[in-house]
Amino acid sequence: DGGITQSPKYLFRKEGQNVTLSCEQNLNHDAMYWYRQDPGQGLRLIYYSQIVNDFQKGDIAEGYSVSREKKESFPLTVTSAQKNPTAFYLCASSYPDGSPLHFGNGTRLTVT
Amino acid sequence: GENVEQHPSTLSVQEGDSAVIKCTYSDSASNYFPWYKQELGKRPQLIIDIRSNVGEKKDQRIAVTLNKTAKHFSLHITETQPEDSAVYFCAASSTGRRALTFGSGTRLQVQP
Repeated sequence: DGGITQSPKYLFRKEGQNVTLSCEQNLNHDAMYWYRQDPGQGLRLIYYSQIVNDFQKGDIAEGYSVSREKKESFPLTVTSAQKNPTAFYLCASSYPDGSPLHFGNGTRLTVT
Repeated sequence: GENVEQHPSTLSVQEGDSAVIKCTYSDSASNYFPWYKQELGKRPQLIIDIRSNVGEKKDQRIAVTLNKTAKHFSLHITETQPEDSAVYFCAASSTGRRALTFGSGTRLQVQP
């Protein structure tokens, strides 16, 4: 059954710690994306990757980092430089030609 | 970059009535306009999309219209049902930047 898997569903960290969110897809999609969702707001683009070993900053990339070493995987690291990391993080994938996004179930990160 | 504005932020209708959600975009190069539905605590799901070479698209009770000249597009839901209650997001992307830019969302509540 194809899909996007984000893990874990809930993540708790202390302020000052880096944390990595996992995103794996078996849809054979070339493009992958990370979005952040805050209450009452839309989805804001953090980073995206159209192809393996290449990625671009989105609108709110500061304090985040990514890697794209494999087609199936696009992990997101939330660094201690991110001022307000508590949020709901959504990973998505698609074919690179403007096709619809398929979203994972999200990871809810809480930093205290 | 692209900016997508969405109105209204909340919308309450009686069951059986129609609901209309409107979005405007800023980048004249945008050519793909999807709409997503997100139920509480779940991932966004694509409900309908339209490309810039089409003015209107319909799928059962849902329709989307696009006015390229005015740079706005709208979601129309007819004969609303309680299960239509959710947050709806519009989005836009272009060939140049294929990552979607989302609107801030509309919380639709259908009163039985």
